[in-house]
Amino acid sequence: RKEVEQDPGPFNVPEGATVAFNCTYSNSASQSFFWYRQDCRKEPKLLMSVYSSGNEDGRFTAQLNRASQYISLLIRDSKLSDSATYLCVVGGRAGSYQLTFGKGTKLSVIP
Amino acid sequence: DVKVTQSSRYLVKRTGEKVFLECVQDMDHENMFWYRQDPGLGLRLIYFSYDVKMKEKGDIPEGYSVSREKKERFSLILESASTNQTSMYLCASSPRGRENTIYFGEGSWLTVV
Repeated sequence: RKEVEQDPGPFNVPEGATVAFNCTYSNSASQSFFWYRQDCRKEPKLLMSVYSSGNEDGRFTAQLNRASQYISLLIRDSKLSDSATYLCVVGGRAGSYQLTFGKGTKLSVIP
Repeated sequence: DVKVTQSSRYLVKRTGEKVFLECVQDMDHENMFWYRQDPGLGLRLIYFSYDVKMKEKGDIPEGYSVSREKKERFSLILESASTNQTSMYLCASSPRGRENTIYFGEGSWLTVV
C-alpha cells in the first residue's frame, strides 16, 4: 500500500461548484497533516494544516479521520484561480524530519 | 517572508557532466532538504541536513551527494549526470522544532542530454 494516496484527477469543475479531494495514508503513527497547493511549474506552497477537529479557512475546509486514516479537502464556490494541483502531505511525530507527499490531485476550474 | 533561493532555474547538461545545484535560505533554518519531482511519481526526498556539515540520505540518494558547509547553503551534486536525472529539483528548509513547516524554493529544471 502506498504511503499517501490521492486520486490524481483531473477534476474539471465549473466556477462556483463545490469539489472535494480525498487522501489516505498508511502510517498510523503519523502526527501532522497538510494540504499544499502547487501551480503549474511552480513550487508547492502550504494551503492549510489539518487538525483532528477539522478546520476551515474561507472557502476551504479540511477534515481528518484518524481511525480511517483519511484526510479531505473541500473547496466551496470554486474560482478560476483555484486551478492547481493539490498535494496531501503527512508528517511523522514531532521533531521528525520526514514529510511524505501524495502525488497530487489536479483541479481545473472552468468558466 | 521566508526566502529559499535556487540560483539555477533552468539547466541543460550533458551526460557525464558534474552538476551543482545551489540553494540558499535567509531564515536561519536548521533543516534543509533536496527533493526531485517527476510526473506520476510526486516529490521524492533525495537528501536532507539538520545542521551544518550534517547530512542524511532520503529515499533516493543514489547518484547524488550534498554539501552543507554553511547554515544557509545546501548544495546538491550530481557527480556524473545521467538522462534519468532529468527532473525538477526542489530545495526546501524548515526550522528546528517545526520540522513539518517546510518552505520550498522555486525549483530547478534540469535536462540531461
